[in-house]
Amino acid sequence: DQQVKQNSPSLSVQEGRISILNCDYTNSMFDYFLWYKKYPAEGPTFLISISSIKDKNEDGRFTVFLNKSAKHLSLHIVPSQPGDSAVYFCAADDQGAQKLVFGQGTRLTINP
Amino acid sequence: NAGVMQNPRHLVRRRGQEARLRCSPMKGHSHVYWYRQLPEEGLKFMVYLQKENIIDESGMPKERFSAEFPKEGPSILRIQQVVRGDSAAYFCASSPRGVVGPGGVNIQYFGAGTRLSVL
Repeated sequence: DQQVKQNSPSLSVQEGRISILNCDYTNSMFDYFLWYKKYPAEGPTFLISISSIKDKNEDGRFTVFLNKSAKHLSLHIVPSQPGDSAVYFCAADDQGAQKLVFGQGTRLTINP
Repeated sequence: NAGVMQNPRHLVRRRGQEARLRCSPMKGHSHVYWYRQLPEEGLKFMVYLQKENIIDESGMPKERFSAEFPKEGPSILRIQQVVRGDSAAYFCASSPRGVVGPGGVNIQYFGAGTRLSVL
């Protein structure tokens, strides 16, 4: 039962353009969502979060949008930079239980 | 170093041996979480601990796996009698608090992980 899904295993974007990573979920009781970035052989690094009571959160080049009716969130990175090449994970808090449910990840490649 | 520290980074064990994975949370953090990542998959929750207490172990296999977070020292994830299927990356995370109020977000900060290989 995959409650958090990232349907695109990979995404390739040209440097300077916008990267849009998508995430769908099935559980309407998730309290908040987080995006993590992961380089090979390293741990996930927190990027940005959004509470379920909001529909947008912005931090520098990163913006997360939440559409509760569609049970969909997206991460926008603009402009994309070579250092953004990594695997991005969407995660949701399981009804305040303090255990994160992760998607499978999307590998983002930024091409020069 | 103010980050979550995990050791060892790599651990090789033969089938039937024991594996001990250690995690020191960030300074000031009293909540620790363990996750496991199999190849080409996302991270899966295993257990949530506070000092001297297991809060939620719903993701832990029923046998051979145990976790602790003693009053002094790091959190330990222990796997007894390892099998090849235990080969994975094990990540520890910490946070400064647990339950948050409505509209709040509890950010978990991750360590670099321990890569366990069972021969």
